[in-house]
Amino acid sequence: GQNIDQPTEMTATEGAIVQINCTYQTSGFNGLFWYQQHAGEAPTFLSYNVLDGLEEKGRFSSFLSRSKGYSYLLLKELQMKDSASYLCAVSLNTGFQKLVFGTGTRLLVSP
Amino acid sequence: DVKVTQSSRYLVKRTGEKVFLECVQDMDHENMFWYRQDPGLGLRLIYFSYDVKMKEKGDIPEGYSVSREKKERFSLILESASTNQTSMYLCASSLGQGLGGYTFGSGTRLTVV
Repeated sequence: GQNIDQPTEMTATEGAIVQINCTYQTSGFNGLFWYQQHAGEAPTFLSYNVLDGLEEKGRFSSFLSRSKGYSYLLLKELQMKDSASYLCAVSLNTGFQKLVFGTGTRLLVSP
Repeated sequence: DVKVTQSSRYLVKRTGEKVFLECVQDMDHENMFWYRQDPGLGLRLIYFSYDVKMKEKGDIPEGYSVSREKKERFSLILESASTNQTSMYLCASSLGQGLGGYTFGSGTRLTVV
């Protein structure tokens, strides 16, 4: 079976830094994605990690440890518009791309 | 700008109706997917297709079927809608073995009454 865990909800203050963790146990692994989803909208791609280490993209960074089955998304200099759900998804090595999603972490940024 | 387009943003249907949800992508992607998203359950895969006329069951296919007659179009069919199929339905597409992840449509919020 596939199991992806992330916290249900987090709160943070504008301008702060927040780290959203994701742990996974899957049968097969071909990379890990993070998506952002604002309420009532489609998920949009944030980052992709296939090798261990940190990937930085502006205010957002994502880290992966394959041996530990662990990833995190780091958001710096939080803005009100960062209030959204953040979805962790594992790509399975099925020969074509198939993603399994966690239930998502709802982040609320307050002034 | 690449797009995945779902035909309806909101739908209200009656129990027992046959419902068609349409999805079209303009990126020449091989793979297309249908998910439903429910609070506390996340995105769950209903069906996917990796080629024209090919389809595979996902994790929750019961009560659904799909059709892919053309590469760009992937339809989800609810044979006889039930209230427990009230949900947000998301279509997505991706390259065959690419690393670019999914591109999602804007979703269809279906209510079955």
